Amino acid sequence: SQQGEEDPQALSIQEGENATMNCSYKTSINNLQWYRQNSGRGLVHLILIRSNEREKHSGRLRVTLDTSKKSSSLLITASRAADTASYFCATDEYGNKLVFGAGTILRVKS
Amino acid sequence: DADVTQTPRNRITKTGKRIMLECSQTKGHDRMYWYRQDPGLGLRLIYYSFDVKDINKGEISDGYSVSRQAQAKFSLSLESAIPNQTALYFCATSDASGAFYNEQFFGPGTRLTVL
Repeated sequence: SQQGEEDPQALSIQEGENATMNCSYKTSINNLQWYRQNSGRGLVHLILIRSNEREKHSGRLRVTLDTSKKSSSLLITASRAADTASYFCATDEYGNKLVFGAGTILRVKS
Repeated sequence: DADVTQTPRNRITKTGKRIMLECSQTKGHDRMYWYRQDPGLGLRLIYYSFDVKDINKGEISDGYSVSRQAQAKFSLSLESAIPNQTALYFCATSDASGAFYNEQFFGPGTRLTVL
């Protein structure tokens, strides 16, 4: 059973705009991760946020985690055409394995 | 050179054939995984291995088997391929440090088509 569920399924924005995608999960977690996948390629790790953290930044990425609502958001600021990709959240089931959501497809138009 | 490599990158085969997908890594990680990706379904875990003597079933292991030949090598086999195993297959690795689940490093994927 999948743990993380991303919203929206697809997002189309203009270059320079911000992109926000959300992830919800069902049970308690130790950490939540976000990955990017360019078309047909392997996933690339973006950021990991632990359950005792509320916000984390990495370059143009900002991730928030609300454990009370069992949700996380990924914000990409000042988007570029190269940000066009699918974005996945993944949660751990108490250190056992990662479970990935279905992903959000982001298209950044130049 | 890529840290996680997969061979072949593309494979077309027929129903009933035995297929092996291979994964090698140079990251020195103990943990290795095989995932399957279908459109709209994200990644699903097939098998995982935490060290050379450890093999565990994932969410969708039926119809698949694995072999961990060495720390660096983890192979996935389809004993008798069927069309609904047509998918994109990924190998991934992670290290075992820390108390919680760590970042995974993915290979480039193998696109398998079963006719």
